[in-house]
Amino acid sequence: AQSVTQPDIHITVSEGASLELRCNYSYGATPYLFWYVQSPGQGLQLLLKYFSGDTLVQGIKGFEAEFKRSQSSFNLRKPSVHWSDAAEYFCAVGGYILTGGGNKLTFGTGTQLKVEL
Amino acid sequence: NAGVTQTPKFQVLKTGQSMTLQCAQDMNHNSMYWYRQDPGMGLRLIYYSASEGTTDKGEVPNGYNVSRLNKREFSLRLESAAPSQTSVYFCASSSGEFQPQHFGDGTRLSIL
Repeated sequence: AQSVTQPDIHITVSEGASLELRCNYSYGATPYLFWYVQSPGQGLQLLLKYFSGDTLVQGIKGFEAEFKRSQSSFNLRKPSVHWSDAAEYFCAVGGYILTGGGNKLTFGTGTQLKVEL
Repeated sequence: NAGVTQTPKFQVLKTGQSMTLQCAQDMNHNSMYWYRQDPGMGLRLIYYSASEGTTDKGEVPNGYNVSRLNKREFSLRLESAAPSQTSVYFCASSSGEFQPQHFGDGTRLSIL
């Protein structure tokens, strides 16, 4: 069974500082990995995705993530955090292909990011 | 550019009442999903529909039913609401096996 662990429930960083959010996954084959962001009262917005190829993937809003197979990790990074990045971030793993299309995702429990001005 | 639209956005029910949550997508996606989000538990899959005409149980299906009305619409029904079903419900859709899921803004449901 696939699973995702986000070990940090809350993280606080100062505006302008760098950010790294951790994500560890468990999956028997090559996983499909995603990072989503959720602002208060909103749905989830896709930040970036990894399917195959280059292990460093770029996303929207200046985010990037690196896939490390040996560590079963897919950590999210941003060089300089802005106050508007305060939100909850979810890592998800997929790989169970549904008959007829689609993909069953398993989500982590999320990391709440607070940005201090 | 609506994407995934969920109605209603907020609802308060009494224990034992029934309700249907509506979801529609305008992206011509084959697959649709219903999740619930509870504090500290991330998103958990309730039901999904891989393609029009099919539905299957997810991780937490008890107390819910779904209908894939057509390719665009996927509804979630609570037949007899219980306080444990107080949650935020999200609908999502995706176009294919390796594509990400796109989410609606959620329905915030409270059951008293």
